[in-house]
Amino acid sequence: GDSVTQMEGPVTLSEEAFLTINCTYTATGYPSLFWYVQYPGEGLQLLLKATKADDKGSNKGFEATYRKETTSFHLEKGSVQVSDSAVYFCALSDNFGNEKLTFGTGTRLTIIP
Amino acid sequence: DAGVTQSPTHLIKTRGQQVTLRCSPKSGHDTVSWYQQALGQGPQFIFQYYEEEERQRGNFPDRFSGHQFPNYSSELNVNALLLGDSALYLCASSLTGQGALKEKLFFGSGTQLSVL
Repeated sequence: GDSVTQMEGPVTLSEEAFLTINCTYTATGYPSLFWYVQYPGEGLQLLLKATKADDKGSNKGFEATYRKETTSFHLEKGSVQVSDSAVYFCALSDNFGNEKLTFGTGTRLTIIP
Repeated sequence: DAGVTQSPTHLIKTRGQQVTLRCSPKSGHDTVSWYQQALGQGPQFIFQYYEEEERQRGNFPDRFSGHQFPNYSSELNVNALLLGDSALYLCASSLTGQGALKEKLFFGSGTQLSVL
């Protein structure tokens, strides 16, 4: 079945550091890929997505590129802020329109001033 | 415009009891999905409801059941609670058109269930 493997956390960085959170996936067909963010006490929020190979999703300074050859969707940000502290989840869905999401285990990110 | 609302926010039950969790979808949405998020894990898909019927189901036992009402709101029921059912239960809503989801999922803040 489909699965998502995510970089183990927690990750602690200083403000303005460069961020990479690795994500690889296993799926049949051509899934859509997502990054969700979960702030303390809140539900999941969609951060960015990509629906086909070589697509780049971007939002709030975060980027991720759908790499079919390496089955990866790594999350990057050039300069993190304290407000980026949260748990980040990589996820995929099949492209049959049912939007059942398969999530990774999440990476807790803490940014220190 | 209210987003996805879930109730209650927290709940404590004992083993063997039954629990009902409730979800009101975002205005204009007609599809509701439920996820279980155990501590330190990613959410796992339980099932999805559309047109008052279960459309998809994840790998959860029959103790987990659900319902969708004509106003699109939904309930998740869990019978014979086990300690391992302790988790954050998330509801997500979306809009389905022509049989396929046409709008991204919106998640609620969840119900934290503790089974003692």
